[in-house]
Amino acid sequence: DQQVKQNSPSLSVQEGRISILNCDYTNSMFDYFLWYKKYPAEGPTFLISISSIKDKNEDGRFTVFLNKSAKHLSLHIVPSQPGDSAVYFCAASAIDYGGATNKLIFGTGTLLAVQP
Amino acid sequence: ETGVTQSPTHLIKTRGQQVTLRCSSQSGHNTVSWYQQALGQGPQFIFQYYREEENGRGNFPPRFSGLQFPNYSSELNVNALELDDSALYLCASSFKGAINYGYTFGSGTRLTVV
Repeated sequence: DQQVKQNSPSLSVQEGRISILNCDYTNSMFDYFLWYKKYPAEGPTFLISISSIKDKNEDGRFTVFLNKSAKHLSLHIVPSQPGDSAVYFCAASAIDYGGATNKLIFGTGTLLAVQP
Repeated sequence: ETGVTQSPTHLIKTRGQQVTLRCSSQSGHNTVSWYQQALGQGPQFIFQYYREEENGRGNFPPRFSGLQFPNYSSELNVNALELDDSALYLCASSFKGAINYGYTFGSGTRLTVV
């Protein structure tokens, strides 16, 4: 089953405007949420994270919002720049108490295109 | 500070063969995780190694195995390759417990099974 879902395969935004990428999850036991950016032929690059005890975390142009009651998080990029064009993955961390592992469960990604 | 390096970058194997992928973790990291990313999908957790032992495993069969070495580098071995094993294999290193800083991923090994 898909525990982390990104329902928008792609998003196109004008340079300077806000980009909003969305993510839904089903497992209420997730304790950390992360966003990664991926360019072609490169590995995912960590952007920002948020603990399940918070509802907002900000780092420069990037802000992540968490709505636990709705099991929904979003990444806001303001202002968007052409260099932000990439695939964005939402990921959730689940501690497997059997193995004490902070494994990451990823969504399928959203391709963001920022038009100049 | 060096990042995560993976080798080889590309590989073509025949069904039924065995393959070994390698990963050098980022300096200061003690945990290595392996992920499989099929086309159009997000990365899927294969397993994680900490202190040279497997420390958690995803839904992958036993023909997927690994090793971690004292210098924290790691190998992923896949036996009896199947066509569906064709994917991008990503290695990620981290410091155990520091999930809020994310994992550092390598650029991956693109495996094609024919």
